[in-house]
Amino acid sequence: DADVTQTPRNRITKTGKRIMLECSQTKGHDRMYWYRQDPGLGLRLIYYSFDVKDINKGEISDGYSVSRQAQAKFSLSLESAIPNQTALYFCATSSGLAGGGDTQYFGPGTRLTVL
Amino acid sequence: AQSVAQPEDQVNVAEGNPLTVKCTYSVSGNPYLFWYVQYPNRGLQFLLKYITGDNLVKGSYGFEAEFNKSQTSFHLKKPSALVSDSALYFCAVRGLSGGYQKVTFGTGTKLQVIP
Repeated sequence: DADVTQTPRNRITKTGKRIMLECSQTKGHDRMYWYRQDPGLGLRLIYYSFDVKDINKGEISDGYSVSRQAQAKFSLSLESAIPNQTALYFCATSSGLAGGGDTQYFGPGTRLTVL
Repeated sequence: AQSVAQPEDQVNVAEGNPLTVKCTYSVSGNPYLFWYVQYPNRGLQFLLKYITGDNLVKGSYGFEAEFNKSQTSFHLKKPSALVSDSALYFCAVRGLSGGYQKVTFGTGTKLQVIP
């Protein structure tokens, strides 16, 4: 987990506020991902980036935006938070090397509560 | 569309007994299969993966998983459960979807090892 860090670890905010979650990695990986975890739903992909100039929507991107500031940094923004965005958010990285299955390495998570 | 099913929300097993956590999948082409474990207040940690070759894959902490192509299953097993194995376990499949090697996670199975 120390190779992938997320800030903040916990955040409580109000409906309509703008929130940014940050992710940094020291693994040297090109690929980075943002997921949200909800009880009973597993992990769902919000956005992914295969390099600094590549940003792609995942399955649940509405209401979210991202920025890949550098190879090591990938931030997730909620422009106007709403209560159903209350969830546990994970950043992950992978090397993208062929033949290795592209194992993902996860940060410790950010618990976001929107009141 | 690719999918992963973990049919049991929770599995209870006595310490020292063998454990099995079930996973079935649906994907186009040859699958890459993964198991991850999530301890409380932590991110997901990689346990093991199947890419190709031997159907029995060995991973971290004494866990293993058996790939069964005909049954499209990838069950996680351990010969003797420890209380410290209690955690949330996720199965994931990586396959080609819409031109992207997409990773789909199951909804997770909570493993409770009873002393």
